[in-house]
Amino acid sequence: EPEVTQTPSHQVTQMGQEVILRCVPISNHLYFYWYRQILGQKVEFLVSFYNNEISEKSEIFDDQFSVERPDGSNFTLKIRSTKLEDSAMYFCASRNSGANVLTFGAGSRLTVL
Amino acid sequence: AQTVTQSQPEMSVQEAETVTLSCTYDTSESDYYLFWYKQPPSRQMILVIRQEAYKQQNATENRFSVNFQKAAKSFSLKISDSQLGDAAMYFCAYRSVGGSNYKLTFGKGTLLTVNP
Repeated sequence: EPEVTQTPSHQVTQMGQEVILRCVPISNHLYFYWYRQILGQKVEFLVSFYNNEISEKSEIFDDQFSVERPDGSNFTLKIRSTKLEDSAMYFCASRNSGANVLTFGAGSRLTVL
Repeated sequence: AQTVTQSQPEMSVQEAETVTLSCTYDTSESDYYLFWYKQPPSRQMILVIRQEAYKQQNATENRFSVNFQKAAKSFSLKISDSQLGDAAMYFCAYRSVGGSNYKLTFGKGTLLTVNP
C-alpha cells in the first residue's frame, strides 16, 4: 500500500539553526499538509498546500516556517531559526482530489537544544 | 472554533476483551466528519473509522465501532476482541464539511495498552 515517507525520523539541532524536514507524499496526491504535536499536547494543523502554493496556514505557521515542493515529489517544511518551543513531532500528510481521507507519514521528531 | 477532547490519556485492556475510548467535541456546525486515527509506535497514523454527522447509523469497521451521540457531542470508539496489534495511540479528530483544505482538529490522544 502506498505510504507517505518522512525523513529524518529524528533530528536534534541547536537553537537558531535552520532545519528542513522532508516528506514524499503518495505520487498521485495533490494536496499536502503539515501537522505537529508538541509532547503531551494535541496534534495541530500547520499548513495546507495545493497547486504549488499555500492554501491555508495556522497562526503557528509564522515567518519562521516555509514549505516548498521543489521537485514534484518532495514536500519540505523549513524552519529558519529554530526555537526551543519548535521541539515536536512533525507529521506530513497528503490526499488525492475528492478523497475524504488523509494519509499520514510516521512523523519526524525534532528536538531543539 | 472546534475543540476535541479525549479525557483518557491512557487505557489498558486484556487481549480478547472490549475497550471503549472516549471523545467529546464542541462545535456550532450541524454537519461535519469525525474520525478515529491509530498510531502504532514509530509508525504512521492510519485511519481506523470515520463518521459523517448527518448519518444516524453508527459506523462499523470489523472489530471497531463507534457510538456517535450527536446531541451530546460524543464520539466513542469501541474495540471488540482486542488484539496485541491494537496497542497504539488513538486520536479522535474533527473536520468541517465546508472548505477544501481538509483541516483536522485533533484530541490529545489515548494510549491503549493491550495485555496478553
